Amino acid sequence: EIVMTQSPATLSVSPGERATLSCRASQSVSSNLAWYQQKPGQAPRLLIYGASTRATGIPARFSASGSGTEFTLTISSLQSEDFAVYYCQQYKNWPPMYTFGQGTKLEIK
Amino acid sequence: EVQLVESGGGLVQPGGSLRLSCAASGFPFSSYWMAWLRHAPGKGLEWVASIKQDGGEEFYVDSVKGRFTISRDNPKNSLYLQINSLRAEDTAVYYCARETHSTYPDWGQGALVTVSS
Repeated sequence: EIVMTQSPATLSVSPGERATLSCRASQSVSSNLAWYQQKPGQAPRLLIYGASTRATGIPARFSASGSGTEFTLTISSLQSEDFAVYYCQQYKNWPPMYTFGQGTKLEIK
Repeated sequence: EVQLVESGGGLVQPGGSLRLSCAASGFPFSSYWMAWLRHAPGKGLEWVASIKQDGGEEFYVDSVKGRFTISRDNPKNSLYLQINSLRAEDTAVYYCARETHSTYPDWGQGALVTVSS
């Protein structure tokens, strides 16, 4: 099983500032990495797939990079609606054994 | 607009069974892999199972193999998850999701399954 580790567990940032979230895979997943945002009581929302491609309708302030085992999600200028929990997901395996990180909670400083 | 609506959640005793349903609309259901994922309290997201467009292939996370069965009825635009031999650790919100290239752009609102005596 590929283990996904996200850091930090909690990130406190002020509105308007930049946030950088990290995700590490226990073995290479190439670019088979997605990022999701989840707010309390809501379903997750796909932000990024293919490690760096924004999903439909995702604002340009969300960007992502990385390949292999190290990945980063950056939110360039935090808006109030961006405070949420963020998860990374690897989808390298076939047959499927997709795994998620434990999440990073982005909170208002 | 894609809509996925889960039903069938509830409180079940350990060892019990439950069948979750997901009604899909707004997209050609029979053209997509579909999946169930779950979110246990205080934990991260977990992929549970996926099923191919024609139902001919199914895949499961190891912890549910032999207990959970994913299925679909394409004429009814419906996805199902039969959950047997429930354990406390199966307590979670279960989400139905449309799968595209192994990612999940569309999710239902979730169905809560609570396993407790």
